[in-house]
Amino acid sequence: SQQGEEDPQALSIQEGENATMNCSYKTSINNLQWYRQNSGRGLVHLILIRSNEREKHSGRLRVTLDTSKKSSSLLITASRAADTASYFCATAPGNNRLAFGKGNQVVVIP
Amino acid sequence: DTAVSQTPKYLVTQMGNDKSIKCEQNLGHDTMYWYKQDSKKFLKIMFSYNNKELIINETVPNRFSPKSPDKAHLNLHINSLELGDSAVYFCASSQIGGREQYFGPGTRLTVT
Repeated sequence: SQQGEEDPQALSIQEGENATMNCSYKTSINNLQWYRQNSGRGLVHLILIRSNEREKHSGRLRVTLDTSKKSSSLLITASRAADTASYFCATAPGNNRLAFGKGNQVVVIP
Repeated sequence: DTAVSQTPKYLVTQMGNDKSIKCEQNLGHDTMYWYKQDSKKFLKIMFSYNNKELIINETVPNRFSPKSPDKAHLNLHINSLELGDSAVYFCASSQIGGREQYFGPGTRLTVT
């Protein structure tokens, strides 16, 4: 899982399997976002979930948010080799900025 | 069609030199950011501008000076470069703070 103080996690899966990664945070938030970063590239926004939402879907992505536990999960279903990337969660505490976690490295083996 | 562009993509320089990185966005966003990503991929915000006004200024050495000539451009000038400045620097933009951000491709700075 991603937290401000933990090392990034790595996940290696076979193509077609599901990948789940977690994110925890410490402050109250307006929203939580997930980003993907392919090797050598910039971050790409994937999905935003508001603090009053519990679950959100976008294509093969499913994000959950539990504000009571201050945690979120990102599920990628039917993974593909192109999903190999680092995935970051970012929280918006409402002060015009995002606080990024340290990222989860996902490797999808063809 | 590039939404957020940065130049240069790679920058190799010696300690003590001064260098600049340029960023431009064509998304019509009001807010722009500079981030530093270290070797462990930790992303740390450095500065943010909203409509050319500095709104976030993290604890960054004053050798780093951002400049926003207009709301579509945010440049970063670094004086007296040090080895510890080696990192990837990302520019990003968003319509308003706290919303989804659009990142540039990054500038890999190597100080030797």
